[in-house]
Amino acid sequence: GENVEQHPSTLSVQEGDSAVIKCTYSDSASNYFPWYKQELGKRPQLIIDIRSNVGEKKDQRIAVTLNKTAKHFSLHITETQPEDSAVYFCAASRRAAGNKLTFGGGTRVLVKP
Amino acid sequence: EAQVTQNPRYLITVTGKKLTVTCSQNMNHEYMSWYRQDPGLGLRQIYYSMNVEVTDKGDVPEGYKVSRKEKRNFPLILESPSPNQTSLYFCASSPLFVEPYEQYFGPGTRLTVT
Repeated sequence: GENVEQHPSTLSVQEGDSAVIKCTYSDSASNYFPWYKQELGKRPQLIIDIRSNVGEKKDQRIAVTLNKTAKHFSLHITETQPEDSAVYFCAASRRAAGNKLTFGGGTRVLVKP
Repeated sequence: EAQVTQNPRYLITVTGKKLTVTCSQNMNHEYMSWYRQDPGLGLRQIYYSMNVEVTDKGDVPEGYKVSRKEKRNFPLILESPSPNQTSLYFCASSPLFVEPYEQYFGPGTRLTVT
């Protein structure tokens, strides 16, 4: 089955700096890669996703890049703000709909003011 | 308001005492799923359902049962809970035929088995 590894497990950045989280996956058939943000005590929420026919996707201060050959994808947060502090999860799936998501272990991001 | 609800939100129980965690969604989603969240392990899928009466195992199904008798409900059943099932549980739902296919998560159920 699919295995997703996520690094780092914790990340501390100064407000205004960039944060990068990296994930690798094992199943070459995976083609849908969502990222979820989970604030303390709350449910995970989708923040951005990418499909295998796209190499990069941006949404304001967040962007995701995908390298299918190397089987890794990354989340980039620019100009970090205190409200970006949360746990971020990457995931991989063979399809977007009815997706059996396999999650990475999570990255706890702390943005220091 | 479109939402996924779970009950109870918190539960402390003893080994072997059967329990059910309910999950309900009001978005007419075909797909529903249960995950457990443990530190350092992310979220792991327990069971999922593509439609009424259609369920399948996820990555960690041992010790759990589910049923999908109605489209909106997807209860998680622990017939004989054990301490290693102490975890934070999330139900999620998503559409199958209409984009976006985003999975919407419920608020979570924190289960402690002593």
